[in-house]
Amino acid sequence: QVQLVESGGGVVQPGRSLRLSCAASGFTFSTYGMHWVRQAPGKGLEWMAGISYDGTSKYYVDSVKGRFTISRDNSKNTLYLQMNSLRVEDTAVYYCAKDSVGSNFGFDYWGQGTLVTVSS
Amino acid sequence: EIVLTQSPDTLSLSPGERAILSCRASQSVSSYYLTWYQQKPGQAPRLLIYSASNRATGVPDRFSGSGSGTDFTLTISRLEPEDFAVYYCQQCATSTYNFGQGTKLEIK
Repeated sequence: QVQLVESGGGVVQPGRSLRLSCAASGFTFSTYGMHWVRQAPGKGLEWMAGISYDGTSKYYVDSVKGRFTISRDNSKNTLYLQMNSLRVEDTAVYYCAKDSVGSNFGFDYWGQGTLVTVSS
Repeated sequence: EIVLTQSPDTLSLSPGERAILSCRASQSVSSYYLTWYQQKPGQAPRLLIYSASNRATGVPDRFSGSGSGTDFTLTISRLEPEDFAVYYCQQCATSTYNFGQGTKLEIK
């Protein structure tokens, strides 16, 4: 069965960096686009970044452009989110999510999320 | 950027009643690219509806989606206790797949 397992969250000071990972299994990782979605405490969902199946196309929400980088290693079935210059407002649960069949049709599987807390 | 506005923010209904949730886009969205999710407390979102009206695998047929252009609707025909949750719409038409702010469906 499809599994997405995030890791790498934790408490970090403002201005520091953190790298999240999402280990995928149960499907052919290299053929699906992948995404990061975050949810601040008590708030709604915010799409952060997406990457094409082969890693050649990457997309970001404006608020993280230049600070966050999405990447993938298809040989390791792993998705990454490098987060630099973290801000207090980046505090959230970060989910990785898999494109449904074909891109543009939503996300059919999600990880359980990893909590990132940015605080001094 | 396409902005999605959901209404109402909170909907209070009883089990057995019908729920109608709205998602309005700031510009026209192809119905192929409008998606609905359900999220329960402490859980990841679950894909409910894709392409505006197609139920995802395993979704009960009391859930239905409709709409086109800028106005989309998620209808739950007869509410079950497990349906009380937060619902989000999402557009996947552009390269940034933003969500609406969510509608909380609570028990009256």
